[in-house]
Amino acid sequence: DTEVTQTPKHLVMGMTNKKSLKCEQHMGHRAMYWYKQKAKKPPELMFVYSYEKLSINESVPSRFSPECPNSSLLNLHLHALQPEDSALYLCASSQTPQGTSGNTIYFGEGSWLTVV
Amino acid sequence: GIQVEQSPPDLILQEGANSTLRCNFSDSVNNLQWFHQNPWGQLINLFYIPSGTKQNGRLSATTVATERYSLLYISSSQTTDSGVYFCAVTGANNLFFGTGTRLTVIP
Repeated sequence: DTEVTQTPKHLVMGMTNKKSLKCEQHMGHRAMYWYKQKAKKPPELMFVYSYEKLSINESVPSRFSPECPNSSLLNLHLHALQPEDSALYLCASSQTPQGTSGNTIYFGEGSWLTVV
Repeated sequence: GIQVEQSPPDLILQEGANSTLRCNFSDSVNNLQWFHQNPWGQLINLFYIPSGTKQNGRLSATTVATERYSLLYISSSQTTDSGVYFCAVTGANNLFFGTGTRLTVIP
């Protein structure tokens, strides 16, 4: 099973709403990631969790708040977003953090977020 | 960070044609992966190929790490091959994505 599951697939939220994106994997991977992708651009790294601890935060605004409740789950809490935050949000996982050899990364189907 | 450039940026093929996509990177890397992003947004692993050549059906890939490039070959293209192809390299515990090649296969 090489599956990373993301919910919801589509989310429309107002600028005053609070919502969460969820990600789950059962491959025993110890590194999990959030990426943001705007139209016609490559994915950009937001956060990396390594062994359930936040190891990389790519200067992401505080209106995005990640959480890793356990080794299989990764959440992204959203609050007071702006219309320019509308994008595809991709979750991914790998056996160990990127940078070690032989470490394929697997992506979920993504959550399409629209902020109105 | 590592710079990753892909060419061509856009490619339109007739069904059945062959194509070569190129990925150039600016520094030595541990890992290189090729992905296909389908029209619904999912990134699907095609190859993990830090060096050498691999084949999987109609697709094959070659990485020449010493010269800092990788090639993805698609033979007998099908409409389902349409989408964006990304290469991504690893450095500093991050995965750096290339600029992508948007492939459209027309019947």
